[in-house]
Amino acid sequence: QVQLVQSGAEVKKPGASVTVSCKASGYTFTSYDINWVRQATGQGPEWMGWMNPNSGNTGYPQKFQGRVTMTRNTSISTAYLELSSLRSEDTAVYYCARSSYGDYQKLDYWAQGTLVTVSS
Amino acid sequence: QSALTQPASVSGSPGQSITISCTGTSSDVGGYNYVSWYQQHPGKAPKLMIYEVSDRPSGVSNRFSGSKSGNTASLTISGLQAEDEADYYCSSYTGGSTLVVFGGGTKLTVL
Repeated sequence: QVQLVQSGAEVKKPGASVTVSCKASGYTFTSYDINWVRQATGQGPEWMGWMNPNSGNTGYPQKFQGRVTMTRNTSISTAYLELSSLRSEDTAVYYCARSSYGDYQKLDYWAQGTLVTVSS
Repeated sequence: QSALTQPASVSGSPGQSITISCTGTSSDVGGYNYVSWYQQHPGKAPKLMIYEVSDRPSGVSNRFSGSKSGNTASLTISGLQAEDEADYYCSSYTGGSTLVVFGGGTKLTVL
């Protein structure tokens, strides 16, 4: 069965960087895009971008360009999200989610989420 | 502030039907047939319920249906059950660099 499992909660200081991992199993990792979505408490989700694990190609909304980096290690079927220059507004639960190539609005499997807290 | 507008809450009794609206613009909901709906229970990840306006993924009950008219999409849940109580979010393709926008969510209460 398709499963996405993320790394554990993180607490970071403003200005620091955080990396969240997302390990895929139950399907061919390189055959689907990985998307990252974050959700602050009580808010709607916010899409942060996509990565094609086969090519390594990525796409980020302008809001996140320069601060977000999405990478992968295909040998262990794991995707990574790095967010830099953290500020308090980045406190949220971060999710990875699978989609067919280019089908970013159809996120069919989600991981359990990782809480990232940014606090001094 | 979310790009798509949803009512904050809706409620219904078991067995009834409810509809949740999702209003965008011609640049997102109105411009593409790429509207999705997600269900989220407290402390859980969202679950895809509807995609491409009205299609259901395998395993999702046919009590869930979607539609769209102009810049407004709708999710209808018929035969309400207690387990349907959750938050519901719409999303839409929007082009540009943003590509995907979400609504602020609607809390469904089953009375």
